[in-house]
Amino acid sequence: DIVMTQSPDSLAVSLGERATINCKSSQSILYGSDNNNYLAWYQQKPGQPPNLLIYWASTRESGVPDRFSGSGSGTDFTLTISSLQAEDVAVYFCQQYYSNPYSFGQGTKLEI
Amino acid sequence: QVLLQESGPGLVKPSETLSLTCDVFGGSIISHYWSWIRQPPGKGLEWIGYMYFSGTTNYNPSLKSRVTISGDRSKKQVSLKVTSVTAADTAVYYCARVGATGWYFDLWGRGTLVSVSS
Repeated sequence: DIVMTQSPDSLAVSLGERATINCKSSQSILYGSDNNNYLAWYQQKPGQPPNLLIYWASTRESGVPDRFSGSGSGTDFTLTISSLQAEDVAVYFCQQYYSNPYSFGQGTKLEI
Repeated sequence: QVLLQESGPGLVKPSETLSLTCDVFGGSIISHYWSWIRQPPGKGLEWIGYMYFSGTTNYNPSLKSRVTISGDRSKKQVSLKVTSVTAADTAVYYCARVGATGWYFDLWGRGTLVSVSS
């Protein structure tokens, strides 16, 4: 099974500042035949379901503000919020969909 | 706009079967894969499995012996059954739509909390 490990577990960032969340997979999730990284990022606000932000490691879902961006390849990935807004307070999860069982990171709690 | 709504008993006794239904409002149910994911209170997310109306299913090996995911296209419903439940199965259960190009989840229901207790 692929284990996803996020860092840090929690993060406090000032409004307007950059927030960076890291995600590491226990094995590469870059598929050689299509050169895609099988990684997604989700945002979960209290009492709500997760909401898809990014897939294929860097493709922003429709409607997601462009201050959210994803990067990385192989085993190391990053979610960046370029200028933190109050509504970005949430828990963020990464997920690999390279192989069954599809697995999530433990989550990173982002606070102001 | 497509909406997903989970429903089912909020309390199940140990050793019994947990049964949940996901109603799909709006959009096509047969042209997507559908998945169940759970989240124990205050904890992370665990993928349970997915189904497609062709009959294809795929389950998390850790749960495979106890889980069945099925669908009813006429009712536009996706169902989950988990047998022989224990306290470890206490969680919020989410129904989710699988993305068009990969096994990420682009639409989620609000979830339903199921507690396992006598």
